[in-house]
Amino acid sequence: DTGVSQNPRHKITKRGQNVTFRCDPISEHNRLYWYRQTLGQGPEFLTYFQNEAQLEKSRLLSDRFSAERPKGSFSTLEIQRTEQGDSAMYLCASRTSINTGELFFGEGSRLTVL
Amino acid sequence: TQLLEQSPQFLSIQEGENLTVYCNSSSVFSSLQWYRQEPGEGPVLLVTVVTGGEVKKLKRLTFQFGDARKDSSLHITAAQPGDTGLYLCAGAPGNSGGSNYKLTFGKGTLLTVNP
Repeated sequence: DTGVSQNPRHKITKRGQNVTFRCDPISEHNRLYWYRQTLGQGPEFLTYFQNEAQLEKSRLLSDRFSAERPKGSFSTLEIQRTEQGDSAMYLCASRTSINTGELFFGEGSRLTVL
Repeated sequence: TQLLEQSPQFLSIQEGENLTVYCNSSSVFSSLQWYRQEPGEGPVLLVTVVTGGEVKKLKRLTFQFGDARKDSSLHITAAQPGDTGLYLCAGAPGNSGGSNYKLTFGKGTLLTVNP
């Protein structure tokens, strides 16, 4: 399968713990995006990378959130000191740099903070 | 902040019926996309519309982009149970390019097609 891969698919953690999600994009895609989706809502933009450079961050991304894409391939999203409000589906997507290039989403990582 | 409002929020119909869902905004988008999402999965792109007034057909699905590029509609003919899912519209900002593709999503229309 050469699609966008995310893991873990599900994570249950206690409030205050740190969690990390990983995204492996489609190999030839240089742009990578993180979105967050809560129940009953559409995905909300968090941040995006072009190669290894993080070009934009949403105000939704508090200082407890950090994303990296060290070699311009896979990306990680870390949440420190998790809060119950962080419970959501975290979606990764990738695409080429062509303006009308399709955005391919992974299956998401669902976080539940108890 | 560019907002996209989708209506209806929920739709439950019988197999064989037709339906239309709407996506509206006060902002102009350089392009607009429709996605379908199943529970526990990521969204899957159905179509991208770029030109104002554009109409695209995908089998039983017809997508239209408004002339002013502020709104769009999705019409499904003879709906089938396999069409069940969350339909999301998403807009790329601006009047041209939109190359950063920071999409703004609507909240979605949850469609249930009963056999």
